[in-house]
Amino acid sequence: AQSVDQPDAHVTLSEGASLELRCSYSYSAAPYLFWYVQYPGQSLQFLLKYITGDTVVKGTKGFEAEFRKSNSSFNLKKSPAHWSDSAKYFCALERGGSNYKLTFGKGTLLTVTP
Amino acid sequence: EAAVTQSPRNKVAVTGGKVTLSCNQTNNHNNMYWYRQDTGHGLRLIHYSYGAGSTEKGDIPDGYKASRPSQENFSLILELATPSQTSVYFCASGDSGGPNERLFFGHGTKLSVL
Repeated sequence: AQSVDQPDAHVTLSEGASLELRCSYSYSAAPYLFWYVQYPGQSLQFLLKYITGDTVVKGTKGFEAEFRKSNSSFNLKKSPAHWSDSAKYFCALERGGSNYKLTFGKGTLLTVTP
Repeated sequence: EAAVTQSPRNKVAVTGGKVTLSCNQTNNHNNMYWYRQDTGHGLRLIHYSYGAGSTEKGDIPDGYKASRPSQENFSLILELATPSQTSVYFCASGDSGGPNERLFFGHGTKLSVL
């Protein structure tokens, strides 16, 4: 069975610091991985995806993520962080097969203090 | 910009009552989804649809029905609402139907069942 784990429910850091939000997955085949972001009071928005190819993928708002097959991770990164990055971030795994549906992690609430 | 609109934004229902959550998309996407978001869980898929007239069960369909009368509209129906269905519900449309699919979410409906 496929699963997504975001081990950090809440991350707090200071503006200007580097952020890295962790995501690990369990899936027997080649994964398709996504990050979505939910700003306060808003809906989820697509941030970036990994399908195949380059293991570092760039997304919107200056974010990037690195796919590491060796440890089944897809961590989200940004440097420097800005207070406006405060949001809840969700990692998701495409299940594959005949029905392409997303399995979401529980999310990481990021707070960036000015 | 793609648009997914949910109504109502907030709903208070009584146990045993019928609740209908509505979703409209102007993206002309074939795929539409209903998720619920609860603390301690990621988004969980309730029902989805491949197009007008189609509905499919997701991961947690019990207690929910769905209706897709047109390309634009996708409803979630709680025939006999229970307090365990208190949650935030998100509708989304998908832009490709394959592994590259990107989801566009509505702003959510906060449902309280008393």
